[in-house]
Amino acid sequence: EPEVTQTPSHQVTQMGQEVILRCVPISNHLYFYWYRQILGQKVEFLVSFYNNEISEKSEIFDDQFSVERPDGSNFTLKIRSTKLEDSAMYFCASSDAGAYGYTFGSGTRLTVV
Amino acid sequence: GQSLEQPSEVTAVEGAIVQINCTYQTSGFYGLSWYQQHDGGAPTFLSYNALDGLEETGRFSSFLSRSDSYGYLLLQELQMKDSASYFCAVRDTYNQAGTALIFGKGTTLSVSS
Repeated sequence: EPEVTQTPSHQVTQMGQEVILRCVPISNHLYFYWYRQILGQKVEFLVSFYNNEISEKSEIFDDQFSVERPDGSNFTLKIRSTKLEDSAMYFCASSDAGAYGYTFGSGTRLTVV
Repeated sequence: GQSLEQPSEVTAVEGAIVQINCTYQTSGFYGLSWYQQHDGGAPTFLSYNALDGLEETGRFSSFLSRSDSYGYLLLQELQMKDSASYFCAVRDTYNQAGTALIFGKGTTLSVSS
């Protein structure tokens, strides 16, 4: 069964450093998303990407965040200057039918120290 | 904006039936989805209801009443492996053309023997 692949699975970074989280969505999917989940809390929407541009973003997705699809397979989330409160599990998801039936990756656990 | 309410915890025994309710408030409505998440792993898609009524997929069923802004996930013949968090989700209606999902806070289901 096709999978969404995320790397790394764990990332520890110092406050103020830049991090790039990587995702390989399912190859024939057209819609891509980043979500985050702080430990024990709900899954929160960050950004959606379609047709090579951001289609929606939440209030969380401020100027410190950016996304890129540098080639035909990768989808990255960059946090420019990490803060302690950015510590969370970050999930990438893709879909071939918009809001119906996302496939999520296994996540990157980001710890900012 | 949107809001979703679901119970924080539900407990049941193996073989039993459990119902997880979800009420939502949205300015527009484009369907109710359910996802399962084991121990902070990748959320996995369970079901989607766009129209009123019951959708059945094996041991899991999902129900929607649009007039009541209410849905539920019904899990039958519970097994230990069903112990997980269950999230209801609706499409973000801020952008009518968007496909982002907004998740509830999740219901933790504990199944005991």
